[in-house]
Amino acid sequence: AQSVAQPEDQVNVAEGNPLTVKCTYSVSGNPYLFWYVQYPNRGLQFLLKYITGDNLVKGSYGFEAEFNKSQTSFHLKKPSALVSDSALYFCAVRERDETSGTYKYIFGTGTRLKVLA
Amino acid sequence: DSGVTQTPKHLITATGQRVTLRCSPRSGDLSVYWYQQSLDQGLQFLIQYYNGEERAKGNILERFSAQQFPDLHSELNLSSLELGDSALYFCASSVAGLLDEQFFGPGTRLTVL
Repeated sequence: AQSVAQPEDQVNVAEGNPLTVKCTYSVSGNPYLFWYVQYPNRGLQFLLKYITGDNLVKGSYGFEAEFNKSQTSFHLKKPSALVSDSALYFCAVRERDETSGTYKYIFGTGTRLKVLA
Repeated sequence: DSGVTQTPKHLITATGQRVTLRCSPRSGDLSVYWYQQSLDQGLQFLIQYYNGEERAKGNILERFSAQQFPDLHSELNLSSLELGDSALYFCASSVAGLLDEQFFGPGTRLTVL
């Protein structure tokens, strides 16, 4: 099973509207989850992470994400979208490699967010 | 600017050749990570080094190898290059491990002809 899934290739939202970018995970043990954003021709930038504690995590640029254990989800949200939020968003999870016993990062396939003026 | 530098920015080479990509982490960061981003395979974690030692391994091919030097810079060596190795290669660094925020470099775009 895929460790982390982003079911939507693209999300379109009008400027000023709330946005949600979906992510679901499937890992054994405690999930450690991350969101990154990639602007055109740039490297990734960290937005936020969930390690433990409060299920609502606040991050950079007004983004937040809600960890939901029962639904195994970690959706990224923002109350009011900006045109400048248009970018590629990646969900990631730290996963344990059962063979080697080491940890590695698994990224989702990415969701392209387009905010329309 | 993330503070992570990568050289070169672009690299064009032929199949069968070998190339070396270089990464300098942010000052104070002990971990370095390498990623490959391609259209067909998305973003793949390759390998992590922490303070000179290999710490985690992802989908890194046997033709690829990496190392982290005492000054903490890292090199990714790609050999016997194939057309499918054409991709954007990112380096990232963090203070310590995989639970830390990673800071990404601008990437090296490799084109294999």
